[in-house]
Amino acid sequence: GAGVSQSPRYKVAKRGQDVALRCDPISGHVSLFWYQQALGQGPEFLTYFQNEAQLDKSGLPSDRFFAERPEGSVSTLKIQRTQQEDSAVYLCASRPGGGNYGYTFGSGTRLTVV
Amino acid sequence: TQLLEQSPQFLSIQEGENLTVYCNSSSVFSSLQWYRQEPGEGPVLLVTVVTGGEVKKLKRLTFQFGDARKDSSLHITAAQPGDTGLYLCAGASSGGSNYKLTFGKGTLLTVNP
Repeated sequence: GAGVSQSPRYKVAKRGQDVALRCDPISGHVSLFWYQQALGQGPEFLTYFQNEAQLDKSGLPSDRFFAERPEGSVSTLKIQRTQQEDSAVYLCASRPGGGNYGYTFGSGTRLTVV
Repeated sequence: TQLLEQSPQFLSIQEGENLTVYCNSSSVFSSLQWYRQEPGEGPVLLVTVVTGGEVKKLKRLTFQFGDARKDSSLHITAAQPGDTGLYLCAGASSGGSNYKLTFGKGTLLTVNP
């Protein structure tokens, strides 16, 4: 597609529920990133994929967070046993490769845990 | 941990005024990017600066990267209501993890007609 597509746009989860957030990057983009943006803050790095390989997951807040990109295109961020502190906007971004390319971000998924 | 501090945090001005937003760090970055984010949307890339001292212009926006690659500024001339949004600076780490961006908290700009 023309841009990075994320779904759902909004998700309300009850505390303890598992959620899955989907990201469709720009076709052909090798690099894919997940960021978390809390209210009033800048985005914070969660994880990085190069094709299907997860090269960096140092930003994932806990072992309840899991991300995958099995075929090197679509990615899913899964959060198990959601907690209130997980409430945030989850942004996905992609770019063609390395170097100084800027990111193209999706519109994000706003997760609210009640 | 690399930190980027942006100032001011909030800025409300009248149409036609000029403004400057600052982005500072004690760390050296391999490159620095500026994004604009509107409510309910993801950040949109405005510019990437790579070389210390580099100046880039994008219509009424002028971006500068500090000589030491630790700081940057964004200057807007004759601001318009369409410039309203959250301006984020983001630095790419030096070395092997230069894919990772560290974002500032942003400057929320409101341009009143």
